[in-house]
Amino acid sequence: EIVLTQSPGTLSLSPGERATLSCRASQSVSSSYLIWYQQKPGQAPRLLIYGASTRATGIPDRFSGSGSGTDFTLTISGLEPEDFAVYYCQQYGISPTFGGGTKVEIK
Amino acid sequence: QVQLQESGPGLVKPSETLSLICSVSGGSISSYYWSWIRQPPGKGLEWIGHIDNSGSTNYNPSLKSRVTISVDRPKNQFSLKLSSVTAADTAVYYCARRIPFSYGLEVWGQGTTVTVSS
Repeated sequence: EIVLTQSPGTLSLSPGERATLSCRASQSVSSSYLIWYQQKPGQAPRLLIYGASTRATGIPDRFSGSGSGTDFTLTISGLEPEDFAVYYCQQYGISPTFGGGTKVEIK
Repeated sequence: QVQLQESGPGLVKPSETLSLICSVSGGSISSYYWSWIRQPPGKGLEWIGHIDNSGSTNYNPSLKSRVTISVDRPKNQFSLKLSSVTAADTAVYYCARRIPFSYGLEVWGQGTTVTVSS
């Protein structure tokens, strides 16, 4: 099983600041299989990024994904009030797994 | 646009079988991959498994012995059965549709809470 470790666990930032979230895999993951979601309290997750760097339909361009192999990053270039949420990475290989999540909270 | 809606009992007794249905509206269930994901209270997401457009399934190895996912094409719905449940299976259960020709779950149901308790 591929374990995904997300860091930090919590990121405290102010609106307008840049957020950098990390997702590290226990073994190499094809970029095609790396996905990012956003989840707000009481809501289902929302697809943000697939294929490590492709924004899903309707996702603003302040969200960007990068990385390869075992290290992947989600960057939010300037936090909007609606961006404060929990973010999960997922690898969709033979046995998909999710990371533990990073909470982005208002400082 | 396609919408998903989970339904089923909100309370299941230990050792019994949890059964949920995901109803697909606004689109056909054919030609897509359909998944179940769960989230225990206050915790992260866990992928349960999926079924593809040929009826082939792939399950989380940690749940494989207890999980069955199936599709009912005439009813445009798919289902989850999880046997021998314990309190550890208490969670919000989501159904979702995978992006065509790629990976990632692009359409999600609102989720349904299932509590395992006597």
